[in-house]
Amino acid sequence: QSVLTQSPSASETPGQTVTISCSGSSSNIGKNTVTWYQQVPGTAPKLLIHNYNQRPSGVSDRFSASKSGTSASLAISGLQSEDEADYYCAAWDDSLNALIFGGGTKVNVL
Amino acid sequence: QVRLQESGPGLVKPSETLSLTCTVSGASVKSGGYYWNWIRQTPGKGLEWVGSFYYSETTNYNPSLKSRVSISVDTSKNQFFLRLSSVTAADTALYFCARDDFSEPYTFHVWGQGTMVVVSA
Repeated sequence: QSVLTQSPSASETPGQTVTISCSGSSSNIGKNTVTWYQQVPGTAPKLLIHNYNQRPSGVSDRFSASKSGTSASLAISGLQSEDEADYYCAAWDDSLNALIFGGGTKVNVL
Repeated sequence: QVRLQESGPGLVKPSETLSLTCTVSGASVKSGGYYWNWIRQTPGKGLEWVGSFYYSETTNYNPSLKSRVSISVDTSKNQFFLRLSSVTAADTALYFCARDDFSEPYTFHVWGQGTMVVVSA
């Protein structure tokens, strides 16, 4: 059971927007930045969003992130088949004194 | 281009020590500015940060593993290592090494491909 809670899956048709949520608490998301990773099965996670809403070079601007209180979300607009992957949120937890990850959300492109 | 490559035995017996190596190319483990990390992934617990190492020999471990984990470095070989003692089946996982930036800790810009470790007699 992850400290950061994500819905197990999300589905949407190509071209639409899918939003993934990440719910935490005052000791993690409420105080610290949230990072998002994309993982295609069989490969290592890839940094998607960091430092609130910055994208590394090469990451599409179809990916955007936001945070409100103790929850964060990742939106993928103009959904494409290549976006099918697992998405993880992560944040430092001041109480656990550790970096923690969400359980991951599998995005399906219908 | 920075590359990380994990290596080590794929099978470890219960109660023994797991030892993994991460070989770094395109960057130096003894240069400042970066932390060198281990992260693991299991079907049951998902992604779990194991610990990090800074070239000044500063280490930071996940408290849930702290009593069993050790991260060290060999600057002459540009490698860093993970040792996890008294392993059980719960330590069966895909282990990744990763690098983050000193200015933005625990944000992993570079990952290795991962190495699978199974704990079994």
